[in-house]
Amino acid sequence: EVQLVQSGAEVKKPGESLRISCKGSGYIFSDYWISWVRQMPGKGLEWMGRIDPSDSYTNYSPSFQGHVTISADKSINTAYLQWNSLKASDTAIYYCAKHRTYMDVWGNGTTVTVSS
Amino acid sequence: EVVLKQSPATLSLSPGERATLSCGASQSVSDNYLAWYQQKPGLAPRLLIYDAYKRAAGIPDRFSGSGSGTDFTLTISSLESEDFAVYHCEQYGSALPFTFGPGTRVD
Repeated sequence: EVQLVQSGAEVKKPGESLRISCKGSGYIFSDYWISWVRQMPGKGLEWMGRIDPSDSYTNYSPSFQGHVTISADKSINTAYLQWNSLKASDTAIYYCAKHRTYMDVWGNGTTVTVSS
Repeated sequence: EVVLKQSPATLSLSPGERATLSCGASQSVSDNYLAWYQQKPGLAPRLLIYDAYKRAAGIPDRFSGSGSGTDFTLTISSLESEDFAVYHCEQYGSALPFTFGPGTRVD
């Protein structure tokens, strides 16, 4: 079964750093992009960026460029989304999804809460 | 950036009725790379339709997609109780960033 399993919920304070993960299984991890998608409370979906795990080439949405870092370790079939300094406005659910074009398999989501 | 608009924001229907959801793009979606996702509360989105009209694996045939260029439609021919959810459209054409519409709630 093709799966993306994400790391658990996080509660952080503003200014703290965070890295969340997305582990793929059941398929050749390096053959598909991994994208990260944000969903703020009660809102729609926003594409943040993507990574090609085969060579760690990345693209970012202009809305998120410079605020997050996407990385991957193909040896352990895992992609990451990282913040160096969280803001309260980063409170959201973050999904990873695999794709060549359309996003056919999604992770279970990681809830990030940033509050002082 | 391709901006997607979805209408209506909310669709109030009963089981057995037909649902017609629209997704409009600010510019032509290249190769008709338009997908529809279903999202239920507390769950991740699920792919329903890709390339504007192709059903994803395991999706019932009451779901159909149509359209091209800037205007796309998701039709649910006869609503089942499990179809009440939020539906998102997404374009994944040649120009980044990928973008999503704001969603249509079917209740």
